[in-house]
Amino acid sequence: SAVISQKPSRDICQRGTSLTIQCQVDSQVTMMFWYRQQPGQSLTLIATANQGSEATYESGFVIDKFPISRPNLTFSTLTVSNMSPEDSSIYLCSVEWPGPSTDTQYFGPGTRLTVL
Amino acid sequence: AQTVTQSQPEMSVQEAETVTLSCTYDTSENNYYLFWYKQPPSRQMILVIRQEAYKQQNATENRFSVNFQKAAKSFSLKISDSQLGDTAMYFCAFDRSGNTPLVFGKGTRLSVIA
Repeated sequence: SAVISQKPSRDICQRGTSLTIQCQVDSQVTMMFWYRQQPGQSLTLIATANQGSEATYESGFVIDKFPISRPNLTFSTLTVSNMSPEDSSIYLCSVEWPGPSTDTQYFGPGTRLTVL
Repeated sequence: AQTVTQSQPEMSVQEAETVTLSCTYDTSENNYYLFWYKQPPSRQMILVIRQEAYKQQNATENRFSVNFQKAAKSFSLKISDSQLGDTAMYFCAFDRSGNTPLVFGKGTRLSVIA
């Protein structure tokens, strides 16, 4: 499986500011995904990031609020812009990794964001 | 659109006992993949087990096994010989095909009691 790291692991931010979360993979992968997990909730997909193309956002998420970069096959960033307390969540990146019979998604350790 | 339902928000089990977590899903696809992920308090999402819909044989991984009923669209997880380290949130997830995002259920919080 892939080894995925995220930075920062946690942060406390003031409303109105922005935070960029980094996701680094130890191998080249085509597909990367960004998820949000609000307190006590399940995971919700924010966007799919392919290298060399614009990210594809899910309903309810917009590029101005969550700009994503995917400069190469091992790295992606998610920015949470103009933050409000409602953005307090865990943000996780994941990658699709080939398996013997099926591709499987593996997740980074997550970034816990608290907005005051 | 696919949906995944986990009807048990919380469950508890005595150490060394067996527990079964339920998951149902809705899809019109014939080929797809199902997963169980575990999220302990550390918040790391850990793959527990996966099942390909085209396989009739239920997947097993050590103490973890699934009961996959394709016609009923049911995918339950059985944990045998429960250990304290199994305490976590468990999420059932659906993947329509490779390179597509997962659809998650709301999760089941499992507590293993000594």
